[in-house]
Amino acid sequence: DIQMTQSPSALSASVGDRVTITCRASQSISSWLAWYQQKPGKAPNLLIYKASSLESGVPSRFSGSESGTEFTLTISSLQPDDFATYYCQQYKSSWTFGQGTRVEIK
Amino acid sequence: QLQLQESGPRLVTPSETLSLTCTVSAGSISSSSYYWGWIRQPPGKGLECIGYIQYSGNTYYNPSLKSRVTMSVDTSKNQFSLNLSSVTAADTAVYYCARHVYGRGLGYWGQGTLVTVSS
Repeated sequence: DIQMTQSPSALSASVGDRVTITCRASQSISSWLAWYQQKPGKAPNLLIYKASSLESGVPSRFSGSESGTEFTLTISSLQPDDFATYYCQQYKSSWTFGQGTRVEIK
Repeated sequence: QLQLQESGPRLVTPSETLSLTCTVSAGSISSSSYYWGWIRQPPGKGLECIGYIQYSGNTYYNPSLKSRVTMSVDTSKNQFSLNLSSVTAADTAVYYCARHVYGRGLGYWGQGTLVTVSS
């Protein structure tokens, strides 16, 4: 199975900061990668699919990029509503999630 | 707006079978582009794919759970189901059902249901 290594596991940031979260796949997944935001007690919410495509209704401050087997989620200017946990997921071969990144208020 | 809703017992006895159903409303379960999945999240931990099924009955099960998992689909009721046998306390988790559209990720999720395994 394909493994996804997500980093960091947690970060502290302030409103307005630029935030980046990285996922590395254990083998090529082409661009079959999604990013989700999860808030406490809620189901995950799809932000990005196919590595860089923004899901409808998601603010444009969220973006995704890829370089080989490394994928990045960027929040260009962190907003109060963005403090949450973020997960990557590959869907090239079955589905595998990263371990999650908790974004906390600094 | 498509909606998914999990239903089933919230408390399961160890060694018994956990059974959940996901009812899909405001949309059809019958498309070859859709994958209907089960994902779980133990309290305070990350997401784990249990497996997924297509309306045709094609399935994928997580190898770590494969010997205990069975999924099925009922197109007449627009539902799909999960059975997880021989449960232990380690199977205590929030169980989500979700829809994956080919190439586009898991765009719709149920609200999740906490299933506790305890005697």
